[in-house]
Amino acid sequence: QKEVEQNSGPLSVPEGAIASLNCTYSDRGSQSFFWYRQYSGKSPELIMSIYSNGDKEDGRFTAQLNKASQYVSLLIRDSQPSDSATYLCAVNGGSGNTGKLIFGQGTTLQVKP
Amino acid sequence: EPEVTQTPSHQVTQMGQEVILRCVPISNHLYFYWYRQILGQKVEFLVSFYNNEISEKSEIFDDQFSVERPDGSNFTLKIRSTKLEDSAMYFCASTQGTTREQYFGPGTRLTVT
Repeated sequence: QKEVEQNSGPLSVPEGAIASLNCTYSDRGSQSFFWYRQYSGKSPELIMSIYSNGDKEDGRFTAQLNKASQYVSLLIRDSQPSDSATYLCAVNGGSGNTGKLIFGQGTTLQVKP
Repeated sequence: EPEVTQTPSHQVTQMGQEVILRCVPISNHLYFYWYRQILGQKVEFLVSFYNNEISEKSEIFDDQFSVERPDGSNFTLKIRSTKLEDSAMYFCASTQGTTREQYFGPGTRLTVT
């Protein structure tokens, strides 16, 4: 059973701080890694994708991938109260890939003013 | 910016009734998906669809479920005889390629009474 694990939180950070969200996955053949943000009652919104080892930066967001450790992380710099949401890690790939995403349970982030 | 759309936003139905959830994927996307999220739980994969046929389905996607692309734009999920446990948010997603970013629609909240 392919799995994606996240700490459910809540992770609480003060406004302006760096939030660090982590995710591990079980399938070594995974090829694509995504971070989605989900506000309560809303659909997942894609914020980052990463495909190769290392860091990828987009504005205040940095995704980090370490395939040897099967570990993906998301850093949010200068956290804002509007960043308060659940962050979902999703993984796909491996043999016979149809694009199916396997999601973690999500980490709830609370940014306190 | 193109987006995935879904109708209806909320559907209430009685146990045993048939429901059809509708989605319009992004126009140049080739791969289509349905996911569901029971309140407080993970986003779960239901089915992937490519080239007018199912490419993968989960254990949840039993004989009560079916998908169809009746024309060049719509993608539907039918549940033939709804059960109480089918109550969930149903999300449609689409992508250009199986390792590429998937974009989610706003979801349909299905309530089975």
